[in-house]
Amino acid sequence: DAGVIQSPRHEVTEMGQEVTLRCKPISGHDYLFWYRQTMMRGLELLIYFNNNVPIDDSGMPEDRFSAKMPNASFSTLKIQPSEPRDSAVYFCASSLALPRGYTFGSGTRLTVV
Amino acid sequence: DAKTTQPTSMDCAEGRAANLPCNHSTISGNEYVYWYRQIHSQGPQYIIHGLKNNETNEMASLIITEDRKSSTLILPHATLRDTAVYYCIVNYGGSQGNLIFGKGTKLSVKP
Repeated sequence: DAGVIQSPRHEVTEMGQEVTLRCKPISGHDYLFWYRQTMMRGLELLIYFNNNVPIDDSGMPEDRFSAKMPNASFSTLKIQPSEPRDSAVYFCASSLALPRGYTFGSGTRLTVV
Repeated sequence: DAKTTQPTSMDCAEGRAANLPCNHSTISGNEYVYWYRQIHSQGPQYIIHGLKNNETNEMASLIITEDRKSSTLILPHATLRDTAVYYCIVNYGGSQGNLIFGKGTKLSVKP
């Protein structure tokens, strides 16, 4: 089992550009979560899906952020346009039916300059 | 807001047991206690969870008080690789899957 796979590992982009982060959950997991981590705010839940359907997106900071899960094996988090304050590590996690533990990916470190 | 209170930091000698406390005085009857850890620059790692009874797995033991208002994570023989931030989280574990991470406890295991 390769675990939760995120790409890219690092992304540096200029302010105003579109950024797409990708996640492949563990096969068979029903839940997928996107988190963001910064020094100031710690780990924040952005959105989570159950069976490919978004359940709670109340953590998405603003309309510039969008997330999709077109099928059970792939999800994207898009930021358009990106801003320097979006710089953070973005983690994807997946889980079997709760209350199981989550498996996190290695994260994508995003730097917006 | 996180519903748990943890010490900011703790030290532990290598080879000794590390006991990490967590207060969750407002926990409701159907909320679970979860523990995760995050080693520097890696994604958080699930350790263990429990509802009422004490739990043990290959990584750690979880001791929950009878009134469920506090718990302790025990790493029986801490190693240098256990140095990490440890998060205690309470959550329903049902359809509301959003684990809310607080600031956690920075555990430093020293030789």
